[in-house]
Amino acid sequence: GEDVEQSLFLSVREGDSSVINCTYTDSSSTYLYWYKQEPGAGLQLLTYIFSNMDMKQDQRLTVLLNKKDKHLSLRIADTQTGDSAIYFCAEDQAGTALIFGKGTTLSVSS
Amino acid sequence: DGGITQSPKYLFRKEGQNVTLSCEQNLNHDAMYWYRQDPGQGLRLIYYSQIVNDFQKGDIAEGYSVSREKKESFPLTVTSAQKNPTAFYLCASSMVLGSSNQPQHFGDGTRLSIL
Repeated sequence: GEDVEQSLFLSVREGDSSVINCTYTDSSSTYLYWYKQEPGAGLQLLTYIFSNMDMKQDQRLTVLLNKKDKHLSLRIADTQTGDSAIYFCAEDQAGTALIFGKGTTLSVSS
Repeated sequence: DGGITQSPKYLFRKEGQNVTLSCEQNLNHDAMYWYRQDPGQGLRLIYYSQIVNDFQKGDIAEGYSVSREKKESFPLTVTSAQKNPTAFYLCASSMVLGSSNQPQHFGDGTRLSIL
């Protein structure tokens, strides 16, 4: 079956940029998503990109999609301590449910 | 405010007991989902429903049951057949446009523990 892979940890200093990477396997996915989870909370939809786009920018967030390599990245500019959380990449599966990666824990130090 | 409400936030189950987790949404979304999250893991799909009175099994449906009698509600029952129920349970919903599901929005989760 499909598998979404992410690195498990990323540590950055406040004010730096963070880049979280993800690879996916289902080339028929219509949308690809980034979710943020803070401790003990549910998942917050951060942003998503339609599969026919290469890039999407939303304030401090930039999503890049390379369909040829099935690679998705999330860049957070000017990372703040409040950005510390777990970030999940997800792809839709035949327009039904989502397939999630295991999440990348972002740690921001001041 | 529109949103997804899960209750309770914390739930304890005794051995051999069935428990039901509530999920209600007032977003007028067609589709609803239940996921299970274990420490250090992504989310795994238990059940989903795209329309009232219909639902499909996900990857880990054994030991769980659901119903979808109303559009707004999708309760999950964790039965005694589920031998390892301790986890964080997340409910989500989304609109359905044509054959494509729109982005899913999540509730705040229910943490289930075994006594």
